[in-house]
Amino acid sequence: DARVTQTPRDKVTEMGQEVTMRCQPILGHNTVFWYRQTMMQGLELLAYFRNRAPLDDSGMPKDRFSAEMPDATLATLKIQPSEPRDSAVYFCASAQQGNAEAFFGQGTRLTVV
Amino acid sequence: AQSVTQPDIHITVSEGASLELRCNYSYGATPYLFWYVQSPGQGLQLLLKYFSGDTLVQGIKGFEAEFKRSQSSFNLRKPSVHWSDAAEYFCAVGEWGGADGLTFGKGTHLIIQP
Repeated sequence: DARVTQTPRDKVTEMGQEVTMRCQPILGHNTVFWYRQTMMQGLELLAYFRNRAPLDDSGMPKDRFSAEMPDATLATLKIQPSEPRDSAVYFCASAQQGNAEAFFGQGTRLTVV
Repeated sequence: AQSVTQPDIHITVSEGASLELRCNYSYGATPYLFWYVQSPGQGLQLLLKYFSGDTLVQGIKGFEAEFKRSQSSFNLRKPSVHWSDAAEYFCAVGEWGGADGLTFGKGTHLIIQP
């Protein structure tokens, strides 16, 4: 059963600490999206990659957030330093180019205290 | 810029009753429209999508949606809801079939009364 895997599922960290979230896309999918979900803003697109190349990260705060795809099986989203306003659920989704159906992971719930 | 409005934050429906969740979009060209469902603590699951052709699309779990260009709407319907349908429902719009990411509505929380 192919699925997008995100780790960790939950993360509590102190303000100022570095946070790294990981995503394993579905094998064969060449597009990876990062979304953030909050009560106030809902679901927002932060960044996405195609064939491991970043195509758009305009939704991401540049000063503290970074996203990478070291290889086709791993995408990372890093926050350094973290702040309480970063508390949210971060979703990774993957899709096959030409197929609009994006498959979502179960998310990483981040709490910054 | 594209946008999606889901005017109902919460909807309560009795089990066995019919359901309609509203979605209005703003988009310059022909939109690609989606409905996703999110159960508590879970990711989003695609219910159905509309790209072109027949304006009434069938999805999983007995859901359907109708695209009405004149009303810029893509409402989700189900003739008879089950308690397991209680969840958060999101309407989304994307260009290029969503290949460059989706713009989501704020969601509608569906409550099922016994």
